Amino acid sequence: QQPVQSPQAVILREGEDAVINCSSSKALYSVHWYRQKHGEAPVFLMILLKGGEQKGHDKISASFNEKKQQSSLYLTASQLSYSGTYFCGTEGGSNYKLTFGKGTLLTVNP
Amino acid sequence: SAVISQKPSRDICQRGTSLTIQCQVDSQVTMMFWYRQQPGQSLTLIATANQGSEATYESGFVIDKFPISRPNLTFSTLTVSNMSPEDSSIYLCSVADRDYGYTFGSGTRLTVV
Repeated sequence: QQPVQSPQAVILREGEDAVINCSSSKALYSVHWYRQKHGEAPVFLMILLKGGEQKGHDKISASFNEKKQQSSLYLTASQLSYSGTYFCGTEGGSNYKLTFGKGTLLTVNP
Repeated sequence: SAVISQKPSRDICQRGTSLTIQCQVDSQVTMMFWYRQQPGQSLTLIATANQGSEATYESGFVIDKFPISRPNLTFSTLTVSNMSPEDSSIYLCSVADRDYGYTFGSGTRLTVV
């Protein structure tokens, strides 16, 4: 089942913060976060594993509430380069198969 | 993380024909994945390509329409067969790593006319 992302879109001014949420109706093994710029492939940001392990971008932070099957991506002091569509991908078991949410379009303006 | 070379980057094809998309990885990987992404939409998993065994297809995708080959641990192809305009999309291959997440190929933008 496709995870639900919110908000669908957000507009920021440079330096502002944003939170993107991802929720699933089923138990999760991991949650991934990716950023995709127009015309480009998605780029890995973070992976949050069941049990608390996290790996990814030094300047990106995220949380994973295993009980609620929810994850949040925290973008602080946003930069123009943060603009793009953010996707969460959820893994139901340790099989590397991801189901992606519909995406959150983030626009950072000067 | 792995580096993937995917080609072609784009193609315009006549309906009823087939197109084969190739992905070459710079390191040996066990699992490769093929995704489809409609412009402005999310990514949908087509199938998992494992070396030495048949690909595993997701619901809504069948081998006759999307045959996949995986001859070795660094290469895979996806063929889109008997194309119709509904097959117009971006097709991406990817590999997975627990430390680096998914790495995606640059994508193939397919237009069927």
